[in-house]
Amino acid sequence: KAGVTQTPRYLIKTRGQQVTLSCSPISGHRSVSWYQQTPGQGLQFLFEYFSETQRNKGNFPGRFSGRQFSNSRSEMNVSTLELGDSALYLCASSSNVETQYFGPGTRLLVL
Amino acid sequence: ELKVEQNPLFLSMQEGKNYTIYCNYSTTSDRLYWYRQDPGKSLESLFVLLSNGAVKQEGRLMASLDTKARLSTLHITAAVHDLSATYFCAVDIAGNQFYFGTGTSLTVIP
Repeated sequence: KAGVTQTPRYLIKTRGQQVTLSCSPISGHRSVSWYQQTPGQGLQFLFEYFSETQRNKGNFPGRFSGRQFSNSRSEMNVSTLELGDSALYLCASSSNVETQYFGPGTRLLVL
Repeated sequence: ELKVEQNPLFLSMQEGKNYTIYCNYSTTSDRLYWYRQDPGKSLESLFVLLSNGAVKQEGRLMASLDTKARLSTLHITAAVHDLSATYFCAVDIAGNQFYFGTGTSLTVIP
């Protein structure tokens, strides 16, 4: 089975711009979660989607949003980028509560 | 506010030695996960602990969970260089909503 894929792998944006990141889960997995990883804050939960519905949301501002499509692929969007949004964004997929499988991540640099 | 604390944050150990990483969490949960992350890489699942008293072992690593004490441990036996990485514990509080510990950066010295 192919693993979780994320595109793009690297991204450079400037402050004020917006960005869309994409995640394709493992085939058959209906749950997709997003996490932000930074040296200062560590790994933080953004949100989780299941069958196109957001089930859980972390403590992030409304500039961070996401969606999930009928094929379980997910996108997250960050609008009005700030320098502090520079991070590794990780997507994870799961078929149940056993575990989550993480993708390689998208490294975002905001200048 | 949910807290997941790991200690130590940094661990330097000699090959062949044993050590334990601790993960304390502040809320009720019976789902605890351990992950490994190599520099510049993503997270690799190591263990899934889903009940009080659960113990899992893989190679030189063994993980356990005490839900009453809200404590999980990751024990390393006879460390080898290949185990050098950052180890994270994570607590699942709402189904696929993981709260991660601060991570323990492990360096195994020859």
